[in-house]
Amino acid sequence: KAGVTQTPRYLIKTRGQQVTLSCSPISGHRSVSWYQQTPGQGLQFLFEYFSETQRNKGNFPGRFSGRQFSNSRSEMNVSTLELGDSALYLCASTALSTGELFFGEGSRLTVL
Amino acid sequence: DAKTTQPPSMDCAEGRAANLPCNHSTISGNEYVYWYRQIHSQGPQYIIHGLKNNETNEMASLIITEDRKSSTLILPHATLRDTAVYYCIVSWSYNTNAGKSTFGDGTTLTVKP
Repeated sequence: KAGVTQTPRYLIKTRGQQVTLSCSPISGHRSVSWYQQTPGQGLQFLFEYFSETQRNKGNFPGRFSGRQFSNSRSEMNVSTLELGDSALYLCASTALSTGELFFGEGSRLTVL
Repeated sequence: DAKTTQPPSMDCAEGRAANLPCNHSTISGNEYVYWYRQIHSQGPQYIIHGLKNNETNEMASLIITEDRKSSTLILPHATLRDTAVYYCIVSWSYNTNAGKSTFGDGTTLTVKP
């Protein structure tokens, strides 16, 4: 079956702009979580959505937001971009029967 | 979620077993141990998980100590393609917090010819 799909794979923005990233989970998976990965901070949990509801949130400012649609696809948005937001943003869908996370290839954001 | 401690780096000779340790002394009774690996900025890939019994699959074996405070991931015959960052995490399974996982810094395993 198809894996987790993230779009776009690469993007470049300038400070102050906003960005929207998309994630399509594995068919049948209703839990989608987002992570930020930077060289200095490693993999950090952003938030998790289940059946269109955010049920867990990491320690990130309000500029980071997300949502999930009825078909389980999820988007995350970062407003007022800062240089420090440059990172690999990873999406994962969860097989709730095992707790296994299936990660996408990520969206690499560069903020200039 | 319980925190984990892993050595920052390890080397292993190609064809030999790679034994990657993980300390999770604050693990609670219902938390599972999961292992993932990440190859050069690709998305992390699931390897194996377990609760208290040793587990084996086609990729690796997982040995969990009786007190569950530590575990070891074993790659029986390491190849160059096993060079990656390996993450040990503890997480709930079968419940609503499965998607929220705390990844530490992991162990960078370098397999050398």
